[in-house]
This record gives sequence, structure tokens and C-alpha cells, in this order.
Amino acid sequence: NAGVTQTPKFQVLKTGQSMTLQCAQDMNHEYMSWYRQDPGMGLRLIHYSVGAGITDQGEVPNGYNVSRSTTEDFPLRLLSAAPSQTSVYFCASSGRGRDSPLHFGNGTRLTVT
Amino acid sequence: GQQVMQIPQYQHVQEGEDFTTYCNSSTTLSNIQWYKQRPGGHPVFLIQLVKSGEVKKQKRLTFQFGEAKKNSSLHITATQTTDVGTYFCAGLNSGAGSYQLTFGKGTKLSVIP
Repeated sequence: NAGVTQTPKFQVLKTGQSMTLQCAQDMNHEYMSWYRQDPGMGLRLIHYSVGAGITDQGEVPNGYNVSRSTTEDFPLRLLSAAPSQTSVYFCASSGRGRDSPLHFGNGTRLTVT
Repeated sequence: GQQVMQIPQYQHVQEGEDFTTYCNSSTTLSNIQWYKQRPGGHPVFLIQLVKSGEVKKQKRLTFQFGEAKKNSSLHITATQTTDVGTYFCAGLNSGAGSYQLTFGKGTKLSVIP
């Protein structure tokens, strides 16, 4: 049972480039979310989804797009990377019920130069 | 919007000393969750508190949820080097339909052997 799988683990982009961070879970979880973690800032919610076909914005959504075409996958797209998006990104999922604990992936460390 | 304040930001303790981190929410919470992130790792769920005044224990860790469901604490008795990491609280707003967990900025614990 792999849990939550994120790829890639590391990525370096130049300003203006686009890329997609992949996230997949094999626990049949309905809820999936993306967080970014910056030093001293904790974990901030970017986007989340409560089920296939449904997405919503979190605390810091600007510059990021998401889609949820299947239960398993929740990719995060950066359309035009900026240095301010340098961060560690975590994908997380949880089961039915809004009080279910989050299962996190191993994270993607993104650097934008 | 909902804010969750967590203090202290850093704590250095001698091995064997006790440690406490505190969380305060600007709004009443439905529940509060605690996570631990080891250096270089991802957040891992520790426990969830739901009831007003609830106290739960996990070996040397004691978790409390305030009577007003707006504050919480994590206390570690006799710290060990394995306790090193960052501890996050995360609150779920009591509003119906809310799925957004708001994380505190975390308390980074260092244990001096």
C-alpha cells in the first residue's frame, strides 16, 4: 500500500516556466489537498478537493491550478513559475468525513530561479 | 478568516526535560489535530481531539483541548532525542461543510543529549 505518492521529489525551474506536480493516492480517499511549507510559515493550504470533479481554493491559491478528474489523482499546475513559489509542496489526502486525519506525501522541493 | 496561533516557535530542551507547545484559535473549532514532522520528512498524524475539555495520552505525550474549544496543548514528559521535530496543531472550523484545516506555524523542538 503506497499511500500518497508525489512526483518529482526535487525540481528546479526558471522564472516563467510551467510544470505539474503529481499526486496520487491509493486509499480511495475522497478528500485531497495541496499545501506549501515555507520556513516559519507552517503549512498553508493552496487548493483542495472533496471529490472527483470538485475543487476549491485554499488560503494561497494564486498562481496555481488544480483539477480532479479521478478519485486517485490531484495534480497541481504552476502556469508561470515565480521565485515566490520556491517552497516545499505537500499533497495530502483523507477519508470520508471532514474530521478524518490527513495522510501526507513525501513532498516536492521546488526551486524557481 | 480563521487563524491558529502556536507558541513557542522554537524550543531547546535538555534530554529528560519536559516540553509544551500551545495552540490558540481565533474561532471555535470543531476539532483539533496534532502532527509531527521529523527533519526532512513529512507531517505525520498524531492524534485528534473533538470534545470540550478532552485529554488524551500517548505514552509520554499528553494532549488537551480547551473547554471553549479554542485552544489546545501538547505536553511531552521527559523528552528523548527521538522527540526531535516540528509539532503542528491544525484546527477544523466548526462551520458546517468546512473542510479547511488551518495549521499553526509549528513548534520546532530540539533535544540536547
